Amino acid sequence: NAGVMQNPRHLVRRRGQEARLRCSPMKGHSHVYWYRQLPEEGLKFMVYLQKENIIDESGMPKERFSAEFPKEGPSILRIQQVVRGDSAAYFCASSAAGSPLETQYFGPGTRLLVL
Amino acid sequence: SQQGEEDPQALSIQEGENATMNCSYKTSINNLQWYRQNSGRGLVHLILIRSNEREKHSGRLRVTLDTSKKSSSLLITASRAADTASYFCATDAGQGAQKLVFGQGTRLTINP
Repeated sequence: NAGVMQNPRHLVRRRGQEARLRCSPMKGHSHVYWYRQLPEEGLKFMVYLQKENIIDESGMPKERFSAEFPKEGPSILRIQQVVRGDSAAYFCASSAAGSPLETQYFGPGTRLLVL
Repeated sequence: SQQGEEDPQALSIQEGENATMNCSYKTSINNLQWYRQNSGRGLVHLILIRSNEREKHSGRLRVTLDTSKKSSSLLITASRAADTASYFCATDAGQGAQKLVFGQGTRLTINP
C-alpha cells in the first residue's frame, strides 16, 4: 500500500518561472493538505482540499499560489512567477476523512529552489 | 508564541539514555500528534493522542497529555542513534478545523 507520493522531489526554477508540485494521496484517501516548511522551522498550513473542492485556503498567499484536486489525477500546487522567498520544502498530506481526529500522513516533500 | 511550541529547541544525549520533549499549545484541541523528521526527509507519524486521553504508548515511545496545562510530552526510552531527528508536535486548530498547527520542533541528537 503505497504512501503519499510527491513529485518532483527536487525542483529548481529561475525567478519568474512557474512551479508545479504534484501530490498523490494514499489509496482510499480523499482529503489532501499542503504545508510549507522553511529551513529550521516547523510546517505551516497552506490549503486543504477534497476532490474538486477547496475547503480551507486560509494559509495560501493571496497572489501567485493556487491549488487544485481534480476528480481524476493528483493534487497540484501551482506557484506562478516564483520569487526567491518561495524556496522551501512543500509537503502534502492526506487523510481518509476530514475529521480533526484523523491522522494525516505526509509525503516525502518537494524541495523548491528558486535561483 | 505559537500553538504547538516545543521545548527544548535542541537536545543532545548519549545512546541508551531517555529523551523527553515537551509541547505547549494555546487553544482547546481535539487531538495532538507527534511526528519525526529526519534531516531533509518527510514527516513520519508517531502517535496521535486524543483530548480525552492522558497517556499513550507505542514501543519505546510514551506520550502524555495534560489538557488543563495545555501541554504534552514525548518520552523516548533507551535511545538509539537512529532516533536522531527533529520531533514536532502538531495540534488541530480547534473549532472543527482540519488543518494541523506545528511547532518549531526539537532537534534531538543521540551520541553513540
